[in-house]
Parts: sequence; structure tokens; C-alpha cells
Amino acid sequence: GAVVSQHPSRVICKSGTSVKIECRSLDFQATTMFWYRQFPKKSLMLMATSNEGSKATYEQGVEKDKFLINHASLTLSTLTVTSAHPEDSSFYICSAHKPRGRGETQYFGPGTRLLVL
Amino acid sequence: AQKVTQAQTEISVVEKEDVTLDCVYETRDTTYYLFWYKQPPSGELVFLIRRNSFDEQNEISGRYSWNFQKSTSSFNFTITASQVVDSAVYFCALSEESGGFKTIFGAGTRLFVKA
Repeated sequence: GAVVSQHPSRVICKSGTSVKIECRSLDFQATTMFWYRQFPKKSLMLMATSNEGSKATYEQGVEKDKFLINHASLTLSTLTVTSAHPEDSSFYICSAHKPRGRGETQYFGPGTRLLVL
Repeated sequence: AQKVTQAQTEISVVEKEDVTLDCVYETRDTTYYLFWYKQPPSGELVFLIRRNSFDEQNEISGRYSWNFQKSTSSFNFTITASQVVDSAVYFCALSEESGGFKTIFGAGTRLFVKA
């Protein structure tokens, strides 16, 4: 089956630094990827839709200058948390959209745990 | 606007009991997809099922079964003869064609299965 990877799986950084998270679709091309964040004991909240070759579409309330998304190729999207603060500590999950005959499906990455000290 | 409601925050059962997790959704689309995911403590989402809006057939997979009722906008999930390994958070999710297939998740139901 399709596989989506995320790197790193876990990252600890100091407040004020920037952190880049990669999301790769390993065996299919994904024109669209999605980024979610999940706080402890909460649900997954969609942050943005990443489109290959164009600007990302952000959900209401998500700061686009804070969470930079780049979808440079059909297999890679990156999320950069700029000037991270402790409140950005969360579990970040990406998914890659794979269109198919009638309908679609998404494959989720394993997630990245970010801890900002 | 799409919305998914999982009214049960936590459910606790004893092993071998049957348990049903409820999911109610809202959408204006005629083409949409419903999902159930399991999230164990490790955090990685485990895909359980995908159902499109044109297929109301119920499905059974081992101890798992799903009941899709468009008339009540519900997509309930039943685990038969629950086991301790079923303990996890379960999410119901909705994806609309008009929304570019972005997936919206319900709040999740935390299931505890005691031995």
C-alpha cells in the first residue's frame, strides 16, 4: 500500500528557533497534501492544504507567516514552524491525497512530535 | 460546511463486550467520503474504513462492523467481543469533494477495554 513518511519523528528545540518538518509520499505522486496538528487528548485540526506548485491554502485562524508550507515537488511538502514558542508544541501530522478512479483517499504520515522549550 | 460529531468522549467496557461508537456528520455535498481511524498511544493513525456517499452498504471486517445511514447522517462503528488491544482513540472523519477532499475529524472517542 501507499506509504507516507515524516521526518523527523520527534524534535526538541529552543524557543525562537525554526523547525522544518518534511512529508514525503514514497510510492505515489501527490499534488495535494494536508497538514494537521493535534494537541494532547484533542482531535486533529486541519491547518492547511498544500498544493504542488502553488501557494498553500490556510484554514481560518492559522498564521501563514508562522507556519510556512512549501510543496516543491509531487512527493514532498514541508512545514516550517518559524520562531517556535512553547505553545507550538504539538503533534503534527501530514497526509497525501491520492486520487483514484472513483473517489479519493488520503494516506497519513506517522506524525512529528514537536516540543519547544 | 462539513462537520463531524462524536458525542461519546469516553467509553469503558469489559473485555468481550460489544461496543458501538457513534458518528453523526453534516454535509451539503452529494459526493463525500466517511472514514474511521484508530489512534493508539503511539499516535500513528490506523486506517479502518472508507465509505463513499453512494454506497450505503454496511460492512463487516472481522470483529468490526459499520452501519452507514444517510437518512440519519450517521456512520456508526461496532466492535464485537472487544479486546484489550482495542483500547485507543477512534476518530470518525468526513471528506467532501467540494472541499478539495480535505478531511475533517470528529472529536474522537476514547475507548477503554478492561480485562
